[in-house]
Amino acid sequence: DTGVSQDPRHKITKRGQNVTFRCDPISEHNRLYWYRQTLGQGPEFLTYFQNEAQLEKSRLLSDRFSAERPKGSFSTLEIQRTEQGDSAMYLCAGQALTPQETQYFGPGTRLLVL
Amino acid sequence: AQTVTQSQPEMSVQEAETVTLSCTYDTSESDYYLFWYKQPPSRQMILVIRQEAYKQQNATENRFSVNFQKAAKSFSLKISDSQLGDAAMYFCAYRSPPAYNTDKLIFGTGTRLQVFP
Repeated sequence: DTGVSQDPRHKITKRGQNVTFRCDPISEHNRLYWYRQTLGQGPEFLTYFQNEAQLEKSRLLSDRFSAERPKGSFSTLEIQRTEQGDSAMYLCAGQALTPQETQYFGPGTRLLVL
Repeated sequence: AQTVTQSQPEMSVQEAETVTLSCTYDTSESDYYLFWYKQPPSRQMILVIRQEAYKQQNATENRFSVNFQKAAKSFSLKISDSQLGDAAMYFCAYRSPPAYNTDKLIFGTGTRLQVFP
């Protein structure tokens, strides 16, 4: 167990609906990362936070995606007007501030857009 | 841009035998980090082993070791005395040095390892 939890674990939604995922790292994780993993592929970086500041966003993160980490603890990832192409596993990872520290992954949220 | 390539979609090994998973990467940076992560079916991704590019010595963690060839940009994972619990997807990942102010991981497409009794 990495100590990183994600909720929900599975989400089925209809195209056009909004969805929100939550990630809870442990308190030592100053940095928090979101990745997306589609079937047969490795995870792809979406965005990351250091404390509450969002420091980097991938070009993959379209305007329909928004992420927050309001108090530097848990984070949410919202997808508006979902599309079938958004179907994927969304992974969250926490990391302590020391650069050499490992990223600890949560179990992921599997999204299916019908 | 950095890329990571895993050319073996699937590998299999018999229990107690040794298997090597391949990974190559492309970068113009001289200092970086390389990782192998394991993702069991329906379970969390966990770190297997980590290598800092400035270290010439290959990293070892119990039954897991790497063969890091910096000039060839190759980073293979050797699993000795394979166990049934080693069955999983294995991802090779790259990370830029801290000075670049980005710690994102760049992953390969993964290798599915099957372990037979």
